[in-house]
Amino acid sequence: DTGVSQDPRHKITKRGQNVTFRCDPISEHNRLYWYRQTLGQGPEFLTYFQNEAQLEKSRLLSDRFSAERPKGSFSTLEIQRTEQGDSAMYLCASRTGFGTEAFFGQGTRLTVV
Amino acid sequence: AQKVTQAQTEISVVEKEDVTLDCVYETRDTTYYLFWYKQPPSGELVFLIRRNSFDEQNEISGRYSWNFQKSTSSFNFTITASQVVDSAVYFCALSEAAGNTGKLIFGQGTTLQVKP
Repeated sequence: DTGVSQDPRHKITKRGQNVTFRCDPISEHNRLYWYRQTLGQGPEFLTYFQNEAQLEKSRLLSDRFSAERPKGSFSTLEIQRTEQGDSAMYLCASRTGFGTEAFFGQGTRLTVV
Repeated sequence: AQKVTQAQTEISVVEKEDVTLDCVYETRDTTYYLFWYKQPPSGELVFLIRRNSFDEQNEISGRYSWNFQKSTSSFNFTITASQVVDSAVYFCALSEAAGNTGKLIFGQGTTLQVKP
């Protein structure tokens, strides 16, 4: 296993379009997280999955955002009707337990034009 | 409320200088973890260290050392004899036991530039 994988690495979309990102965590990791990072800021938590259950969503996650983790394996993050403010790096992380190291993917950089 | 503050936005040093990156955190939880991550220009966050709230022992790993002080809610990171390859953005993060999600609360990051 080579780590957390995210696809695509870059996405440019027009305002109003829908986009979907994929995250493949490390296979034995049951905890999966999505974060958003804007320029000059630290990553901000979006949502958390334990296996297939989505257990926490940040207030940052508006109704236009939805995340899934079917069968507790890969996860998808969809943004509907994108806005320019959605432009950011979207990071995925996985880990085995609460206090363990979180492994991050290389992120998907979204640009909404 | 949980919060991490990295007051230093940018630090510039000359190679071989020692540099300390400050991190102050706020939490009401008694059980928590603190982390440092490095983000090089490639963008991927690289784990450096983890410390739990019950272990205040300082740690040294090569040129890196960490000073955890619960009395001042600080978890500072020192790089000794800095090198150009240390240039990156460094993030301090907090993870509380409450809720058992393990989500990370990050500071705003400190950009370190090491000049040759």
